Amino acid sequence: LAKTTQPISMDSYEGQEVNITCSHNNIATNDYITWYQQFPSQGPRFIIQGYKTKVTNEVASLFIPADRKSSTLSLPRVSLSDTAVYYCLVGDWSNTGKLIFGQGTTLQVKP
Amino acid sequence: DAMVIQNPRYQVTQFGKPVTLSCSQTLNHNVMYWYQQKSSQAPKLLFHYYDKDFNNEADTPDNFQSRRPNTSFCFLDIRSPGLGDAAMYLCATSRVVTPTDTQYFGPGTRLTVL
Repeated sequence: LAKTTQPISMDSYEGQEVNITCSHNNIATNDYITWYQQFPSQGPRFIIQGYKTKVTNEVASLFIPADRKSSTLSLPRVSLSDTAVYYCLVGDWSNTGKLIFGQGTTLQVKP
Repeated sequence: DAMVIQNPRYQVTQFGKPVTLSCSQTLNHNVMYWYQQKSSQAPKLLFHYYDKDFNNEADTPDNFQSRRPNTSFCFLDIRSPGLGDAAMYLCATSRVVTPTDTQYFGPGTRLTVL
């Protein structure tokens, strides 16, 4: 499975847009990009998934450039409750359902 | 609401004393997973069941076992817990076994080994 690299931590303020970039240089043709969010003392929660270009849902947007070697999770107008760890995962649809979590990015939103 | 439930939320055991963690789901999903998450680390997959088929990760210690008596329940047995097994244990479910299928996680059981 492709290895992912993310910043270890990020700080932001309430109301700002936050962009977290994930590098996955050896992504394979069949790989999808998935982001999970984890609050302290809770299990991870699915945020968004994409294959290429842009995906948007009610929570976030995911931008994937044409070469797919990186992706950016965009959180619009964050609030204190968005403070969490954000994991970028890359997995092959034809492979097993393994989720290999990287180190994740700890986002701290300040008032 | 359909969900993944883990009991207990906090478990304390003694070094070497067997312990069982429980997971149940109301999603009627085919797949159930167990992850171990140590402090400040990412979750690590231990094993999963696809229906009754058990799939162990290569680096999961033999000390960890699992049972799935029916679709709704899955248990994690730690036969002889060591201090290094103190962690959060997360149960997750999905409909099928592909990375594109969303995994739904329970709240976790935090295990303390004394």
